[in-house]
Formats: sequence, structure tokens, C-alpha cells
Amino acid sequence: GQQVMQIPQYQHVQEGEDFTTYCNSSTTLSNIQWYKQRPGGHPVFLIQLVKSGEVKKQKRLTFQFGEAKKNSSLHITATQTTDVGTYFCAGPPGGAGSYQLTFGKGTKLSVIP
Amino acid sequence: NAGVTQTPKFQVLKTGQSMTLQCAQDMNHNSMYWYRQDPGMGLRLIYYSASEGTTDKGEVPNGYNVSRLNKREFSLRLESAAPSQTSVYFCASSEQGTYGYTFGSGTRLTVV
Repeated sequence: GQQVMQIPQYQHVQEGEDFTTYCNSSTTLSNIQWYKQRPGGHPVFLIQLVKSGEVKKQKRLTFQFGEAKKNSSLHITATQTTDVGTYFCAGPPGGAGSYQLTFGKGTKLSVIP
Repeated sequence: NAGVTQTPKFQVLKTGQSMTLQCAQDMNHNSMYWYRQDPGMGLRLIYYSASEGTTDKGEVPNGYNVSRLNKREFSLRLESAAPSQTSVYFCASSEQGTYGYTFGSGTRLTVV
């Protein structure tokens, strides 16, 4: 079945440094989504990317979808303590008509003030 | 809007006991899902309901049953709890298909 892998598993950064997490799928994805989970909280939807090569920005967060639609990245510029949490990517294993999402295991971000 | 509401928030069960986790959404979403989250394992799909009246198995359905009671409510039942079912359980919903899940706040279940 489809596998969604994320690296790194953990990342510790000084406040103000940049951060990037990478997501790779074993199959081509119709779309990819990103979620953030704060410590002790629940996952919160951030964004969906659909088109090959798509780039979207949300303030200091930049999301990219690879040309082959098998990989994606999330880049945070100048991290802040409010960025602490685990970032998950997720994609539908069955293509555009799928009703399931397969989640990566996440990248846990720690920000040292 | 409350979004997705899960009850209870915490539960301790003895091995062999049964219980039902409740989930309700007020966003008129068609699809609902149950995930479990374990350290180092990420989120794994237990069951889902693409629309009212339908349910399907996900990646880890063994030991669980579900009921889509109506469009709003989707419950998860553990018939005979086992220590391996100690986990955090999240219910989620989406308007259609896989776009933009809204998650509940979770149920932290411990089976002793």
C-alpha cells in the first residue's frame, strides 16, 4: 500500500532559524495536505496542494508540491516559539476519489528561545 | 461553531471491558473518520464513513466496530478492550472526500 514518509523525525532550532520538513510518497498523489499538532492538542489543517509544482505561502510558511506529485515540503522562515509542534503531511492512497488520508509520522519541531 | 466534539476526553478501562467513544460534528460534513495516534506511529485510520449509511475499514480495524448513527454522529466501539488499544483516539470529519479534515480534541484511552 501507499507509504508516506517524512524527514526529519525531530528538529531542534534556535528561535529565528529556518526549518524545513520533507514528505515523500511511494505513489503519485492527487493532492497533499499539511497539518499541525501542538503538544497535547489535535491536528489542525493548514493547507492542501493539488497542482504539480504548486507553491503556496501562509505568512512565514511556504508549502511546495513536487513536479512528479510524489513529494512535498514545508519551510518555515524565522521560527518562533509559536511554531512548536508536530507537522504532518497526508495524502489519499486511492487517488482523487479516495475517502481516506494516509498520514506521515510527522516532524516534531522544538524551538529554543 | 463547536466543530467536532468527542466524548469522553479521558477513560481508563480494565482488560475485557467494553466502551463506546462518541463523536459528533455540526458542520454538515458528509465524511467522518476514526484515527488512533500512538508514539512514533503517527495517525492510523481505524474506520471511516464516506457518507451517511456507509462505513468501511481502514488500516487498523481489528478489535473495533463503528456506527454512523446519522449525518452528525459516528461512534467507535471497543467490544473487549486490550492493553494494545491504549492510545489517543481522534475523530475527524470532512465535507467531501479527503479535503481538509477537521479533528476533534481526542480521547485519551488507557487499558490496564
